Amino acid sequence: GAVVSQHPSWVICKSGTSVKIECRSLDFQATTMFWYRQFPKQSLMLMATSNEGSKATYEQGVEKDKFLINHASLTLSTLTVTSAHPEDSSFYICSARDPGVPAGEQYFGPGTRLTVT
Amino acid sequence: GEDVEQSLFLSVREGDSSVINCTYTDSSSTYLYWYKQEPGAGLQLLTYIFSNMDMKQDQRLTVLLNKKDKHLSLRIADTQTGDSAIYFCAERAYYGGSQGNLIFGKGTKLSVKP
Repeated sequence: GAVVSQHPSWVICKSGTSVKIECRSLDFQATTMFWYRQFPKQSLMLMATSNEGSKATYEQGVEKDKFLINHASLTLSTLTVTSAHPEDSSFYICSARDPGVPAGEQYFGPGTRLTVT
Repeated sequence: GEDVEQSLFLSVREGDSSVINCTYTDSSSTYLYWYKQEPGAGLQLLTYIFSNMDMKQDQRLTVLLNKKDKHLSLRIADTQTGDSAIYFCAERAYYGGSQGNLIFGKGTKLSVKP
């Protein structure tokens, strides 16, 4: 199946700093990528939909100025958590849709665990 | 709005069959998915079913879809300890300007006892 990678897999940062997370589709071109956030023992919450070459679409309640998304190429989307605070600590997962697959299933990255101290 | 419901826990003995159930609300869903998440890892697509199908079988996995009742189930035959994980049901949303993002249930934690 298709492979999606994320980098880093975990990161610890100090409060007030910014952290960038990368999501790459390794063997297909993804015009659409999704960013999710998962709290412990909870489901995935969609944060935003990232489209190559255009602005991301954010879900209600997600601060676009805090969670900056850039989808500069067909294989790379980045999520930057700006001025991170402890409440931003979470597991962030990206997914990419393979447009060549009729079912449009999303392939998920392994996730990035962010801890803000 | 769209909602996906799952029971939170299921415990079975190794070798038994596991059945994980899911209900959804969006009747316009075209695809429904089952994902598996192991501790500390991302989601792995297990299988999916198109809404005009009643059943899909893939090795030890059987998916049943009752579109009238909006009920989806995943049966794992001969459950192994390696099947212990959280299983997420998801429907593909089609509403307004959505781009077909997935709506997830809260996940069912499957524990397999030896």
